[in-house]
Amino acid sequence: AQTVTQSQPEMSVQEAETVTLSCTYDTSESDYYLFWYKQPPSRQMILVIRQEAYKQQNATENRFSVNFQKAAKSFSLKISDSQLGDAAMYFCAFRLIQGAQKLVFGQGTRLTINP
Amino acid sequence: DAGVTQSPTHLIKTRGQHVTLRCSPISGHKSVSWYQQVLGQGPQFIFQYYEKEERGRGNFPDRFSARQFPNYSSELNVNALLLGDSALYLCASSLKDRGNTGELFFGEGSRLTVL
Repeated sequence: AQTVTQSQPEMSVQEAETVTLSCTYDTSESDYYLFWYKQPPSRQMILVIRQEAYKQQNATENRFSVNFQKAAKSFSLKISDSQLGDAAMYFCAFRLIQGAQKLVFGQGTRLTINP
Repeated sequence: DAGVTQSPTHLIKTRGQHVTLRCSPISGHKSVSWYQQVLGQGPQFIFQYYEKEERGRGNFPDRFSARQFPNYSSELNVNALLLGDSALYLCASSLKDRGNTGELFFGEGSRLTVL
């Protein structure tokens, strides 16, 4: 069974600074996807960034980038130039490429942006 | 275009009752998944349906059931409600069911409180 662990229940950062959220996962499979989702108070899960395990290059989406270390089973999210609108719960998630479309989520990290 | 819509947004039930939650996927999406998110935790996979067939089931008791209709909308049913069923129930849709399915889009959820 796959597991995802987020060891930081809460993080805070000053507006315009950079913050890194940590995520580790456990799997014996080699083909999978990793995701970071954002859940604001509106409750809707929003995809922030996605990484295919077979790609060595780290994914980037504007101010968001990941550090994917496959051997270490680590998948951290870096948010640059933090903005007030980035405040939310952030969830790391894992999905096998084959089989049911089942996302395995971590426990989440609450990110606060200080003005 | 409308996103994933869920109803009702909030509901209160008592122990032992039955509840039906509804989900309409994004137009053209044929896959629907259900997740349970207990307060303070990450979502947990309950079911996935594609073309009216069950594609995956999470570790939930038989009190939980679901179905998908010809228009790809879906219902999640929970019988004999327990206090522990209190949670946010999220529905998500995507174009495909396996492999590179593209982005998974989530609704805003149905908040169930069991008294």
